[in-house]
Amino acid sequence: QLQLQESGPGLVKPSETLSLTCSVSGVSISSNNKYWGWIRQPPGKGLEWLGSIYYSGRTNYNPSLKSRVTISVDTSKNQFSLNLRSVTAADTAVYYCARIRSAPYAVGWFDPWGQGTLVTVSS
Amino acid sequence: DIQMTQSPSTLSASVGDRVTITCRASQSISSWLAWYQQKPGKAPNLLIYRASSLESGVPSRFSGSGSGTEFTLTISGLQPDDFATYYCQQYSTYPWTFGQGTKVELK
Repeated sequence: QLQLQESGPGLVKPSETLSLTCSVSGVSISSNNKYWGWIRQPPGKGLEWLGSIYYSGRTNYNPSLKSRVTISVDTSKNQFSLNLRSVTAADTAVYYCARIRSAPYAVGWFDPWGQGTLVTVSS
Repeated sequence: DIQMTQSPSTLSASVGDRVTITCRASQSISSWLAWYQQKPGKAPNLLIYRASSLESGVPSRFSGSGSGTEFTLTISGLQPDDFATYYCQQYSTYPWTFGQGTKVELK
């Protein structure tokens, strides 16, 4: 059974880099046609897609993050990671990792999700 | 970016009611739409993809319809476990975007 688990610091200082890892179990992260992604949810607010990575390493990012985000894959550890640079209080959110499902001619719905991890940006 | 607008933002209903949530896209997204259920403190859970395809294991009282710019999620016979917040998401065009959510609460 595919499971995902986020890990990383729960508190990050303003202007620093937020780094999270998603550990994947139940399937090889480098299997063909596998996409993986990050989504966040500020407290009491809605969902925002941050970016995604294909098993080959190809990435897509949300332009709203203004080039602050990088997603990478570590196939040796069956993990993928999120780095968000120059954070502010507005980046305080629950961060989720997820598998991105795909089918012929379409890719982009999320299932399953990790349980999420709250990251607070504060000095 | 494609804007996704859900209505209503909050819906008060009773057990057994038929409930309909609408999601409108700012431009056509064909059928590239998913619906999720989220309960407090939990991650969202996939209900519907490709506008009307029911995810395996999801009760058949959930159904989705629509194409282009207007979509609906219907719960036929609301159950106590269904009180939650529901989100639509388009995956037609990057950046993928979500609706603001519809909270279904007990009347």
